[in-house]
Amino acid sequence: AQTVTQSQPEMSVQEAETVTLSCTYDTSESDYYLFWYKQPPSRQMILVIRQEAYKQQNATENRFSVNFQKAAKSFSLKISDSQLGDAAMYFCAYRPNYGGSQGNLIFGKGTKLSVKP
Amino acid sequence: EAEVAQSPRYKITEKSQAVAFWCDPISGHATLYWYRQILGQGPELLVQFQDESVVDDSQLPKDRFSAERLKGVDSTLKIQPAELGDSAMYLCASSFLSGYQETQYFGPGTRLLVL
Repeated sequence: AQTVTQSQPEMSVQEAETVTLSCTYDTSESDYYLFWYKQPPSRQMILVIRQEAYKQQNATENRFSVNFQKAAKSFSLKISDSQLGDAAMYFCAYRPNYGGSQGNLIFGKGTKLSVKP
Repeated sequence: EAEVAQSPRYKITEKSQAVAFWCDPISGHATLYWYRQILGQGPELLVQFQDESVVDDSQLPKDRFSAERLKGVDSTLKIQPAELGDSAMYLCASSFLSGYQETQYFGPGTRLLVL
């Protein structure tokens, strides 16, 4: 079975500092996508960053970057220069790619990030 | 910026009653998803539509849940009868399927409390 594990239920970071959220996944597939979603309190979930498994280069989006270790099945999210608006639940998600037909998104349980001023 | 709309935002009901949630996806998005998110958990897919057709409803408890997207645009998710364990956030998402670049856009959700 394909699973996504986020081992940190809660994390805290000082404003302007850097924080890393952990995610591991289990799959026997070789082609898949990985995502980090952000869910602010009482607001909709939005995509933060995406990584294709066939790409060795780590994805970056402004202050957000990932450390993708395919052999270790690890996909951590680094937030640099943390801002108060980064406070939210962060979900790691996995999606297999079956030869062009995509499977369903499988989410981890989430990490609640607090940002201290 | 176009958004996925959901209503109601909050719903309180008693067990054994019927409830319905509505979702209006972003215009032009052919794919629509319903997820259930239990407090402290990540979302879990209930049903996926491609236009008006169900693509995947393997995780939908069909004895009490039903979903439809009759004209391939907006969608309704119904629970009848509601049970205490149905208390959760129900999220709708839509996407313009574009191969591996597909991105799902989520609505604000409907928070259901069953008493």
